[in-house]
This record gives sequence, C-alpha cells and structure tokens, in this order.
Amino acid sequence: DQQVKQNSPSLSVQEGRISILNCDYTNSMFDYFLWYKKYPAEGPTFLISISSIKDKNEDGRFTVFLNKSAKHLSLHIVPSQPGDSAVYFCAARGSGSARQLTFGSGTQLTVLP
Amino acid sequence: DGGITQSPKYLFRKEGQNVTLSCEQNLNHDAMYWYRQDPGQGLRLIYYSQIVNDFQKGDIAEGYSVSREKKESFPLTVTSAQKNPTAFYLCASSPGTGSYNEQFFGPGTRLTVL
Repeated sequence: DQQVKQNSPSLSVQEGRISILNCDYTNSMFDYFLWYKKYPAEGPTFLISISSIKDKNEDGRFTVFLNKSAKHLSLHIVPSQPGDSAVYFCAARGSGSARQLTFGSGTQLTVLP
Repeated sequence: DGGITQSPKYLFRKEGQNVTLSCEQNLNHDAMYWYRQDPGQGLRLIYYSQIVNDFQKGDIAEGYSVSREKKESFPLTVTSAQKNPTAFYLCASSPGTGSYNEQFFGPGTRLTVL
C-alpha cells in the first residue's frame, strides 16, 4: 500500500518552460514533505521542503505547493534547464518519534534543449 | 570536507554468501538509515538507527542485519536469507529525528548477486 505516490514515471519539458512534478499522499499524519533530486548511480540530494503548516515554499527556480485538503503536493521548476534532468522523488515524514521518510517512486524529468 | 561515504561503489557476490556494505559519516549526525532502490520504485527503508547501540527495523528488514557501535558508522550486512538482494543500496544520515531535518545521502552501492 503506497502512502506516497508519483503517478507520472516520466516528464519531458522544453528548456525555459515550466516543469511541474506531482505527488499524492494518503496518510494525513504526514507533517513535513521533501523533494529530492537524483542522478544515475548517485545518492539523492535534498532540493526543497515544506511543512504542513504552509502551502507554499520557494527557493530560487524551485517552488513547492502543498494542498492538504487534496493531499497533494507539486514541485514547480521555472525556468527548466537541461541540468535539471534527473529523477525527482517526493518524500513525506511521519509525526512519530522516528520521523521516518516515506518515498514516492520517482519521476524522471527530461529537459530538452 | 563533511559527508557520507559508502564503499564499495559496485559489489558482486555469489548466491548464498553474506556481504557487508560500509557506510561512514563525519557530519556528527545522530541518526542513520539504510534504503534500497529497485528500478521503478522509490526508496524503501531497511533499517535505521537513532543513536549509538540502538537500531530499528524498517519496512523491509528481512534478510538484512546492521550494527551501530560507533556514531559515524552504520554497516549493513546482506545475508543469504535475503531472497532478492540485487539492488542499489543507499545510506543516509540526519542530525536527529526530533526536528525538521532532511536526510543526507551517500553515493550508494550497487550490489549484484551472480
């Protein structure tokens, strides 16, 4: 039973346009959400996060939106660059003492020059 | 230069053998984690440790074992009981589990069982 779902395994976007990556979750106890970026044969690197008490967090070209009522979050990248081509994972943290992360299956973003 | 190191990057083993994957961090983080990644799937938690000499099973602990004798080290042993051990293994650490701290990942070890 996947608690964090990324329903689009891949996304292609033209350079300079907006990339929108989506993530849905089912556990209403998640209180913190993160996006990671991963290149092949490397470990994921942290990109941006958002607390459940907010609905938007922005960092340069990256913005994460959280819609708690819909249990949905999205990552916007504007403008998209070829170097953004990677697999993007969303992750959610539980509110228990261990605060484990639950990851989605990832979306492969390809930014075309 | 702080970070997380995993060795080796590629590892091959024969079926039926145990193998230990190394994970070291010099970030002074309290918590450490092991994940595995399979094609088309997200990262799944194998084991985690919040403090030295203590660790807990994650979602897919069967066939794996860990130890946490030192703060900076969290080795993972893949035993012969693990039915499908070929995967990409990732180690991570975080300052602690009690606040909003992201996890930092190592470069990973790709294990292939021949």
